[in-house]
Order: sequence, then C-alpha cells, then structure tokens
Amino acid sequence: EIVLTQSPATLSLSPGERATLSCRASQSVRNNLAWYQQKPGQAPRLLIYDASNRATGIPARFSGSGSGTDFTLTISSLEPEDFAVYYCQQRTNWPPFTFGPGTKVEIK
Amino acid sequence: QVQLQESGPGVVKPSQTLSLTCTVSGGSISTGGYYWTWIRQLPGKGLEWIGHIYYSGRTSYNPSLQSRLSISIDTSKSQFSLKLTSVTAADTAVYYCARDSSGYLIAALDIWGQGTMVTVSS
Repeated sequence: EIVLTQSPATLSLSPGERATLSCRASQSVRNNLAWYQQKPGQAPRLLIYDASNRATGIPARFSGSGSGTDFTLTISSLEPEDFAVYYCQQRTNWPPFTFGPGTKVEIK
Repeated sequence: QVQLQESGPGVVKPSQTLSLTCTVSGGSISTGGYYWTWIRQLPGKGLEWIGHIYYSGRTSYNPSLQSRLSISIDTSKSQFSLKLTSVTAADTAVYYCARDSSGYLIAALDIWGQGTMVTVSS
C-alpha cells in the first residue's frame, strides 16, 4: 500500500497570501495524484487530478505540480473561502486508493 | 447534473451489519467509465477508500475491509449499496458515496454525496 505524507499538518496564513502544500508518496505514483478540499460539515470537493489538471469550475488560483513522489498544491492568493482541509489521493497502486492525512489551512 | 445521496440507519449495534445505499440521480448509473465508490471518514480523521463497483458488477475492495465488505449495484433503481458485517466502534464514521470518473480521463472522485454519519453503539 502506498503511504502519502502531507506537510505541513497546519498552515496558518492570511487572506491574500500564497499557500504551498506538499504531498509525498512512499513510492512513485507517476502523475496519478488528485487533490481535494474539504470544509467543515461538507463532503470533499475535487480540485486537481493527474497532478496538475484543474477540475471543472475550480478557480485558476489553484494549481498542482509534481510527479513521481513529490507533489505540490499551490493557492496563489488565499480567498476567505479557501480556508479548509486539503487531501491528496494517489491513483496508481490500488486497491486501495490511499489518501494523505490532510493539511489544514487556517486563518492567521 | 449528477447527484448522489446516501441513505441508511444512523445507528448500528456492535457485531451487526452496516447497510447503506447510494442513489444516483441526474444521470445513468449504467454508463460505462464510472466507478461507483464508497469512502469513509472516521471522526476527526482523514479519508479511507472502502471500495468501488462498476455498472457490470465488477468490484474492488480495500484489503483491510475485504473480509467484511460487500458492494452491490441495482441499475434498475440507479442505486449501489454497501454492506459491512461484524461492525465495531471502529467503524463509526461518516460514509460517503462518490463517482470515480477514471474511464473519462478524470482519474479522481469528481462527484460526492453529502455523507451520512453512522454510529456503532449498543
């Protein structure tokens, strides 16, 4: 089973700042990685698939990069609605499709 | 647009079977290319992929749950279902159903239900 590690666990930033979230895989997942956003009391929402493709309706301030074992989700300028928990999910070696433990982006 | 809705008991007794159903609306569950998926989230924790089913009935399960798990599909009702036997308190979680669009080159869970909380308690 591929293990995903996300860092930092918590990111404290102000609106307008740039957020950089990391996801590292225990072995190569090529570019088969997705990112999700989850707000309290809501289901996760797909942001990025195949490491760098934005899902339908996702603002351009969200971008993904990386391949192999190291991936990054960048939010170029945080909007108030972006404060949430972000999860990565690997899509290469399954079952199971594993998720990372999440990064919480909180208001500083 | 396609929507998913979970339904089922909110409380299940220990050692009994947890049964949930996901109803798909706004689109066909029989369309190829989609994998109908169950995910759960333990209280205050991260996400766990449970398993998925194709419209043909082909399934894939999380090995950690496989011995207790069954996922089925009823295309006539546009529903797919989860059964988890011999539950314990460790199975208390929010259960989500979701659509995996890997067959359409979106290798991800692109549509989610709102989730349903299931508590295992006597």
